[in-house]
Amino acid sequence: NAGVTQTPKFQVLKTGQSMTLQCAQDMNHEYMSWYRQDPGMGLRLIHYSVGAGITDQGEVPNGYNVSRSTTEDFPLRLLSAAPSQTSVYFCASRPFVANEKLFFGSGTQLSVL
Amino acid sequence: AQKITQTQPGMFVQEKEAVTLDCTYDTSDQSYGLFWYKQPSSGEMIFLIYQGSYDEQNATEGRYSLNFQKARKSANLVISASQLGDSAMYFCAMREGWMDSSYKLIFGSGTRLLVRP
Repeated sequence: NAGVTQTPKFQVLKTGQSMTLQCAQDMNHEYMSWYRQDPGMGLRLIHYSVGAGITDQGEVPNGYNVSRSTTEDFPLRLLSAAPSQTSVYFCASRPFVANEKLFFGSGTQLSVL
Repeated sequence: AQKITQTQPGMFVQEKEAVTLDCTYDTSDQSYGLFWYKQPSSGEMIFLIYQGSYDEQNATEGRYSLNFQKARKSANLVISASQLGDSAMYFCAMREGWMDSSYKLIFGSGTRLLVRP
């Protein structure tokens, strides 16, 4: 099983560029989310979705946009990249089951110059 | 607001010895859950163990156990018989929100464990 697939694995952007990080899961999970990981700060929630057409903000949503048109896909858009968005990004999903763990993708390392 | 605190940025342990990684949490919810994840140098996030707030027994998964002290709001991870492959970053996380559908996981800042041969 593929699980949660993120692309690309690495990306370098210039300040002001836009791009989309892709996330797809094949487990029919209702819940999907994006985290960013920065040294010394753990993982912080950017946006999440509880189903197609439903998204909400997490702890650090500014500068990011999401949409959920299908159960499988949950892309993260950087509207105008800034150096402060240099980070490792993780997509994660889980089913609607009490206390079920998050299944993580392998991460995207993003550098904004 | 809920909060997870991991006060040990880095730790060393000798191979084959046990090690405890600390995690304290702050919540006003009666129902909550606590998770531990491992992140090796390759970067993936690996689920280790889960403890529910109403679970009476401490959770165990192989060499991993969770020392849950509800009154102290602590959920420490104990790794027995450390192996070189246990060298990694370890994150404690807590379920925020009581609804099955919309609950979020909030993470601590992590503890980097290095196992010495």
